[in-house]
Amino acid sequence: QKEVEQNSGPLSVPEGAIASLNCTYSDRGSQSFFWYRQYSGKSPELIMFIYSNGDKEDGRFTAQLNKASQYVSLLIRDSQPSDSATYLCAWRYSSASKIIFGSGTRLSIRP
Amino acid sequence: DAGVIQSPRHEVTEMGQEVTLRCKPISGHNSLFWYRQTMMRGLELLIYFNNNVPIDDSGMPEDRFSAKMPNASFSTLKIQPSEPRDSAVYFCASSNRPQEETQYFGPGTRLLVL
Repeated sequence: QKEVEQNSGPLSVPEGAIASLNCTYSDRGSQSFFWYRQYSGKSPELIMFIYSNGDKEDGRFTAQLNKASQYVSLLIRDSQPSDSATYLCAWRYSSASKIIFGSGTRLSIRP
Repeated sequence: DAGVIQSPRHEVTEMGQEVTLRCKPISGHNSLFWYRQTMMRGLELLIYFNNNVPIDDSGMPEDRFSAKMPNASFSTLKIQPSEPRDSAVYFCASSNRPQEETQYFGPGTRLLVL
């Protein structure tokens, strides 16, 4: 079974600090990686996707991919209480294959 | 657009009963996904369709589960007979692959089987 592993948390971060979420995956052939955010009782929503090694930035969010080490990270700068949610990382082997989700990391931003 | 629409939003039923979950994808999307989410197993893909054709149903737990997509604007997920272990939140999502990476999730159906 090709898997994605995440620390379930909860991860507690003070407001204004950088939150760092990490994910490791098992298949070296993986091509696409995703970060979803899910508020309690709500459905997942895509934050970012990344294909290439390195960093990809979007506002306060930065996704980092290291294919050699098989990990992908999400950094949230200037954390806000509204960032408190569960963050799901996911990957896909190819554009035609299904997305595999990790179990999620609960993030709590404390005022 | 109204987004992905799912019905019912909540369903409580008794073991052995048939359950039908419904989904209307976003207009123009060519891919539809059914997921199940539980605390123990997380978010699992059950089946997905591309252009109304089932592509991968390897996540369907057993023969009690079936899914159909008779046209581009409607899909059903049926459980017959239902069991307490089927209690979960069932999400439907749609996307416009390969042009878009984003899967848009519906609000989910919370199923409780007693």
